[in-house]
Amino acid sequence: DSGVTQTPKHLITATGQRVTLRCSPRSGDLSVYWYQQSLDQGLQFLIQYYNGEERAKGNILERFSAQQFPDLHSELNLSSLELGDSALYFCASSEDARAPEAFFGQGTRLTVV
Amino acid sequence: AQTVTQSQPEMSVQEAETVTLSCTYDTSESDYYLFWYKQPPSRQMILVIRQEAYKQQNATENRFSVNFQKAAKSFSLKISDSQLGDAAMYFCACQYSGAGSYQLTFGKGTKLSVIP
Repeated sequence: DSGVTQTPKHLITATGQRVTLRCSPRSGDLSVYWYQQSLDQGLQFLIQYYNGEERAKGNILERFSAQQFPDLHSELNLSSLELGDSALYFCASSEDARAPEAFFGQGTRLTVV
Repeated sequence: AQTVTQSQPEMSVQEAETVTLSCTYDTSESDYYLFWYKQPPSRQMILVIRQEAYKQQNATENRFSVNFQKAAKSFSLKISDSQLGDAAMYFCACQYSGAGSYQLTFGKGTKLSVIP
């Protein structure tokens, strides 16, 4: 158990809809990273939050957004969903400077139909 | 920008034998970290081993060790005494601290099968 919790584990939704994925980081970790894993693109970094503030952006679509709350949990919001958004979405947390290795949650499998 | 290349999409190894997974990377940075992650069918991403670029000594974790060749930008993973539970996708990743972000850049992965 990595200590990172993601909900839900599975999500099936229709095109055009909006979903929210949730992540609780390991106790004490201030950084949350979101990654997308798809067959064609592999594992890609989407966005990072550190102690409530956005710190870095990767290949994140404008239809996607995230936030980190005062209790450090994070949510990834995906809107106007398309078939191509079907993927495994991972959240990871780390201590960053003191110990940069990232610990991953079990992921949310999103299927858009 | 960093890139990570894993040139072996699939590999297989006999149980109890040794296998080496290859990884090359490209970065212009001098201070970075390298990792191997394992993803079994459960899809959980599990950290296997980490290497700091400034350390010349190769990292080891029980049956897992790396061969880090900084000049060649090569970072291979050796699994000794392979076990059935080692069957998984293995991802090589590079991490550079730019502006306080420790985001990972992953390779495409190598699927390892272990033959009983």
